[in-house]
Amino acid sequence: NAGVTQTPKFQVLKTGQSMTLQCAQDMNHNSMYWYRQDPGMGLRLIYYSASEGTTDKGEVPNGYNVSRLNKREFSLRLESAAPSQTSVYFCASSVMSGQYNEQFFGPGTRLTVL
Amino acid sequence: AQSVAQPEDQVNVAEGNPLTVKCTYSVSGNPYLFWYVQYPNRGLQFLLKYITGDNLVKGSYGFEAEFNKSQTSFHLKKPSALVSDSALYFCAVRDKAGMDSNYQLIWGAGTKLIIKP
Repeated sequence: NAGVTQTPKFQVLKTGQSMTLQCAQDMNHNSMYWYRQDPGMGLRLIYYSASEGTTDKGEVPNGYNVSRLNKREFSLRLESAAPSQTSVYFCASSVMSGQYNEQFFGPGTRLTVL
Repeated sequence: AQSVAQPEDQVNVAEGNPLTVKCTYSVSGNPYLFWYVQYPNRGLQFLLKYITGDNLVKGSYGFEAEFNKSQTSFHLKKPSALVSDSALYFCAVRDKAGMDSNYQLIWGAGTKLIIKP
């Protein structure tokens, strides 16, 4: 099993450009998450999908959109990138969205917005 | 409001010595507590969790953590540190009673652990 995979690994954008970060998991998990990681701030939840067909906002959703394409795939879109969105983005999944289920993380996408 | 604090940005330990990475939390009800590790340029990996029961939880790579309700702490420990333990460690908490944040973990800022040979 590959676990959680993310593409691309690195990306440089200019302000105002758009892009989609892709995430897929092969563990048959129901729930998926998008986080951003900034130095000294831990992880902040952008959006999550408790199950196929549902998505909800997390702590920092502004400037982002998501699509739960099917059970395996959960994409994150930046419609008009801003320098404040320079960050490392992690996708994660868990069996269920239950409170005690651990999450499994992808390797991350390092995004720089100039 | 729920919160997690990791009071040390960095912890330095000599190889072979015991290590402790501190975590304190604040929730309205009883907590679910987690530790994750992040190696350089990698995603986070789950180490261990406290749900209920025994206050001493054992996890991956020889790590353990002790839940202390009175001190609202969940410190990560290992009896003998290895150079390969050098990484970034994150504590996270979820409030069992929380309904609005059923799907959200609250994360600490992370502690960089450096093990010196």
